[in-house]
Amino acid sequence: QKEVEQDPGPLSVPEGAIVSLNCTYSNSAFQYFMWYRQYSRKGPELLMYTYSSGNKEDGRFTAQVDKSSKYISLFIRDSQPSDSATYLCAMSQAGTALIFGKGTTLSVSS
Amino acid sequence: DAGVIQSPRHEVTEMGQEVTLRCKPISGHDYLFWYRQTMMRGLELLIYFNNNVPIDDSGMPEDRFSAKMPNASFSTLKIQPSEPRDSAVYFCASSGGQVNNQPQHFGDGTRLSIL
Repeated sequence: QKEVEQDPGPLSVPEGAIVSLNCTYSNSAFQYFMWYRQYSRKGPELLMYTYSSGNKEDGRFTAQVDKSSKYISLFIRDSQPSDSATYLCAMSQAGTALIFGKGTTLSVSS
Repeated sequence: DAGVIQSPRHEVTEMGQEVTLRCKPISGHDYLFWYRQTMMRGLELLIYFNNNVPIDDSGMPEDRFSAKMPNASFSTLKIQPSEPRDSAVYFCASSGGQVNNQPQHFGDGTRLSIL
C-alpha cells in the first residue's frame, strides 16, 4: 500500500459547482498536511496548509483533516474555470520531507 | 523577488549522453529538493539538501544519477549515462525553516526527453 493515495481523476465540473478532492494515507505519524495546485507546464504552488486535525478556510477553499480516518479533503466552492489544474496533496511527519499524492486533474467548464 | 530558477526548460538528447540539470534556489532558503514527475509515478522526491549538505538521497533511482550543491545558490542533477526511462519532468524546490512543515517553492521544471 502506498503511503499516500489520491484518485487521479480526471474530474470535470461546470462552473459554480462545489468540488471535493480527497487523499487517504497509511502513516498515522503524519502531522503536516498541504494541498498544492499545479497548472499545466508549471511547478506546483502551495494552496493550503494544515497542522494536525481540523479545518482551515481560505476564501473559496476549505481543507479538512480527519486523522482518525487518515483522510484529508480539499473543497472548492463556486468553482471557476481558472481553478482548472492538477491538485496534489502532500503530508509529512516531524523531521521528514513531504510525500506527495499523484494528483487529481480538475477541469471546470464555463 | 525571483523564484526558483531551473535550466534548461527543455532538453532532448540521445540515450547514453550525459544530462545536467541546474537549479538556483530562492535566496535565504536553506533546503533544496530535487523531484521527478511522471504520469505513472507522480511527483517523487529524489534527494534533498540542507545547508548544501545532502540529507536524504534514498529516492535517487540508481548510480547513474548524482546531485551536488557546491554553494547556497546553485545545485545540479546529473544523469550519466541517460536512458529513455529517465524521460520525465524534473523539478527543483526550495524552502526555509524545517524540512517538514514549511512550504516548498517550486521552479517550472525541466522537461527531459531521452531518445
